[in-house]
Amino acid sequence: QKEVEQNSGPLSVPEGAIASLNCTYSDRVSQSFFWYRQYSGKSPELIMSIYSNGDKEDGRFTAQLNKASQYVSLLIRDSQPSDSATYLCAVNDYKLSFGAGTTVTVRA
Amino acid sequence: EAGVVQSPRYKIIEKKQPVAFWCNPISGHNTLYWYLQNLGQGPELLIRYENEEAVDDSQLPKDRFSAERLKGVDSTLKIQPAELGDSAVYLCASSLQSGGAGELFFGEGSRLTVL
Repeated sequence: QKEVEQNSGPLSVPEGAIASLNCTYSDRVSQSFFWYRQYSGKSPELIMSIYSNGDKEDGRFTAQLNKASQYVSLLIRDSQPSDSATYLCAVNDYKLSFGAGTTVTVRA
Repeated sequence: EAGVVQSPRYKIIEKKQPVAFWCNPISGHNTLYWYLQNLGQGPELLIRYENEEAVDDSQLPKDRFSAERLKGVDSTLKIQPAELGDSAVYLCASSLQSGGAGELFFGEGSRLTVL
């Protein structure tokens, strides 16, 4: 079992819709959780971090964490074409493990 | 402020040849990472440095890969000899915080093609 699993894509959403991305992790001692965005041919960049159970909102992005279920998600509200990218879930299990990513396409 | 700098951006070599990648992290970032990213996959950790000490190299294929971070700043990742399966993007990242707790800043990556 991979340490970090993300829902398989690609995910296609219309402009203005909500994109929902899911991630599960295997190591219960993980304390820090991150979402990185990676445009095609570019390197990853951090968009959200979350450390405690519940929701964290930053602009159009909301990260949700449930440590009991070992689950972290990312919601992108009012999706824009510029949100089209691969979203990587990362979990700090002392070495920061990444999921395989979910590719999101926002169609105009 | 300058970001993480990597070179070369692209490298094409024949199998069994050696190759080296260089990384200059953000000034003041004591933690440095080397990741490997295959197409369609997430980054996979090769080695993590805290200052000049390699604190996690469990995923580094030590028969052909080596890394160093002299003086706790710049780092070099070497592959010798390269194999066809080593074709990938090699990402260097740095962080102000240790232990994977904080934000990682990635360089542009070094894309290796082994023929």
